Amino acid sequence: GENVEQHPSTLSVQEGDSAVIKCTYSDSASNYFPWYKQELGKRPQLIIDIRSNVGEKKDQRIAVTLNKTAKHFSLHITETQPEDSAVYFCAASKVPFGNEKLTFGTGTRLTIIP
Amino acid sequence: NAGVTQTPKFQVLKTGQSMTLQCAQDMNHNSMYWYRQDPGMGLRLIYYSASEGTTDKGEVPNGYNVSRLNKREFSLRLESAAPSQTSVYFCASSMTGPIYFGEGSWLTVV
Repeated sequence: GENVEQHPSTLSVQEGDSAVIKCTYSDSASNYFPWYKQELGKRPQLIIDIRSNVGEKKDQRIAVTLNKTAKHFSLHITETQPEDSAVYFCAASKVPFGNEKLTFGTGTRLTIIP
Repeated sequence: NAGVTQTPKFQVLKTGQSMTLQCAQDMNHNSMYWYRQDPGMGLRLIYYSASEGTTDKGEVPNGYNVSRLNKREFSLRLESAAPSQTSVYFCASSMTGPIYFGEGSWLTVV
């Protein structure tokens, strides 16, 4: 089955700086890579996703890049703000799902230092 | 459009008691999931249902049973609760692509 590794487990950055979280996956057939943000006591919420036919996707201050050859993908947050403090999870799967399921990384706790 | 709704939100059980967590989605999604999240940890899949009438074990199924009652509803049952099952339980659903989570059910087993 799929295995997703996520690094770092914790990350602290100064407000206004950029943050980068990296994930690697094992199954070359995986084609869907979402990122979730989970604030304390809340549910995980999708913030951005990318499919394997695209190398990069951007949404305001958030971007995701995918390197299929190396089997890794990254989340980039620019101009970080205090409200970006949360735990971020990457995931990988094949779509359409069918009997496939989303495999999550272990999470990165991001702290923005004012 | 409520999305994914879970009940109850909070529950305290005694060891050995049984209970059922209810989940319903109104997005007409085919797939539904139950995850557990222990404090400071990631999401671990308990069971999932790729479509109405089918269920499959995930990473940590022991001690749990599920029922996909219809396309909308997917319940999780603890037959004999143990302290190791103290956790936050998230139900989720998907069609093709992103999965959407419910607000979570905080379960404590004493």
